Amino acid sequence: NAGVTQTPKFQVLKTGQSMTLQCAQDMNHEYMSWYRQDPGMGLRLIHYSVGAGITDQGEVPNGYNVSRSTTEDFPLRLLSAAPSQTSVYFCASSSDITGVDEQFFGPGTRLTVL
Amino acid sequence: LAKTTQPISMDSYEGQEVNITCSHNNIATNDYITWYQQFPSQGPRFIIQGYKTKVTNEVASLFIPADRKSSTLSLPRVSLSDTAVYYCLVGGPNTGNQFYFGTGTSLTVIP
Repeated sequence: NAGVTQTPKFQVLKTGQSMTLQCAQDMNHEYMSWYRQDPGMGLRLIHYSVGAGITDQGEVPNGYNVSRSTTEDFPLRLLSAAPSQTSVYFCASSSDITGVDEQFFGPGTRLTVL
Repeated sequence: LAKTTQPISMDSYEGQEVNITCSHNNIATNDYITWYQQFPSQGPRFIIQGYKTKVTNEVASLFIPADRKSSTLSLPRVSLSDTAVYYCLVGGPNTGNQFYFGTGTSLTVIP
């Protein structure tokens, strides 16, 4: 049972490039979410999903797209990277569709946009 | 979103009990209160969750007064390995399944 996995661990982009951060979980969880964490800050919710085919925006969705075609995967896409998107990105999942129950977090992806 | 307020940092000596209080004045009726712990370069890890009164597990206790506008995480006999950032979250169906982490409380345990 791998839990929540994220790839890549580190990534450097140039302004304007696009990329997809991968997130997968093998716990059959319906609720999945993406957070970003800036230095010295708490986590801020970007997007979340309560099941395959269902996504919604969080606190800071601008500049990011998501889709949920399967229960297991919840990729986060940056269409045109900006320096302001330099951050550590965490993916999480929960067995409860409200996300209230314990959320399991991945190890994070550290993204730098030059 | 149900916002929370916590002290920015706290220091404690090894072996002492640590209490971290979180304020959440606009908590909704169906919201739960959840605490997470985060070590540097790692994702947060669930500690404890409650709705009202007191909850205890093998690592912590959570005290919630009747009005639920605040909560207190209690860590008994802390050790150096408890040095971390602790986040209080409030959320659930009434907050659109969204959760506000805030800046958390940075706990430093001193030998």
